[in-house]
Amino acid sequence: KQEVTQIPAALSVPEGENLVLNCSFTDSAIYNLQWFRQDPGKGLTSLLLIQSSQREQTSGRLNASLDKSSGRSTLYIAASQPGDSATYLCAVRRQAGTALIFGKGTTLSVSS
Amino acid sequence: NAGVTQTPKFRVLKTGQSMTLLCAQDMNHEYMYWYRQDPGMGLRLIHYSVGEGTTAKGEVPDGYNVSRLKKQNFLLGLESAAPSQTSVYFCASSYLQGSPYEQYFGPGTRLTVT
Repeated sequence: KQEVTQIPAALSVPEGENLVLNCSFTDSAIYNLQWFRQDPGKGLTSLLLIQSSQREQTSGRLNASLDKSSGRSTLYIAASQPGDSATYLCAVRRQAGTALIFGKGTTLSVSS
Repeated sequence: NAGVTQTPKFRVLKTGQSMTLLCAQDMNHEYMYWYRQDPGMGLRLIHYSVGEGTTAKGEVPDGYNVSRLKKQNFLLGLESAAPSQTSVYFCASSYLQGSPYEQYFGPGTRLTVT
């Protein structure tokens, strides 16, 4: 059974710091991996999606990498801002069209 | 383009009552999903649908029923609500054809069962 783990569960950093959020999964046979952001009391916003054949994806200050063989993905946030404070969720898709399997998330707090 | 919408946003039920949550999407997506999110548990799949008239069970289907009579709508029903069903419910949708099956989520329904 696929399990997704995110470490750390919570992270506090000062504004301007670069940071890395980690995601690991137990079964390397995935179709793709998706990173989401969730603000308190809100829905999920897709940040980046990496296909199993890709190594990384970038969007603005965000960079997500994927090492499928080792079952790991990282989300790199450059020059963090207070507006980045949210919970970040990692999810993997086992096969095309199947539902996502989520980690429990990392709650990020960026102080000004 | 409204994307994925959910009705209602909040609801309080008493144990044993029934209700239906409505999910609607205007992106012509074939796949639709219902998840629940609980503290410390992450999001877990309840039921999903790969097209109009089809439904399938997910990881935690007990106590829920679903219907997909129209392509754009996916209904989640609780026949006899229990306190264990207190949760935040999210609906999502994605295309069938082509990669990457990126899922789009609704804003959620916060349900409390007393």
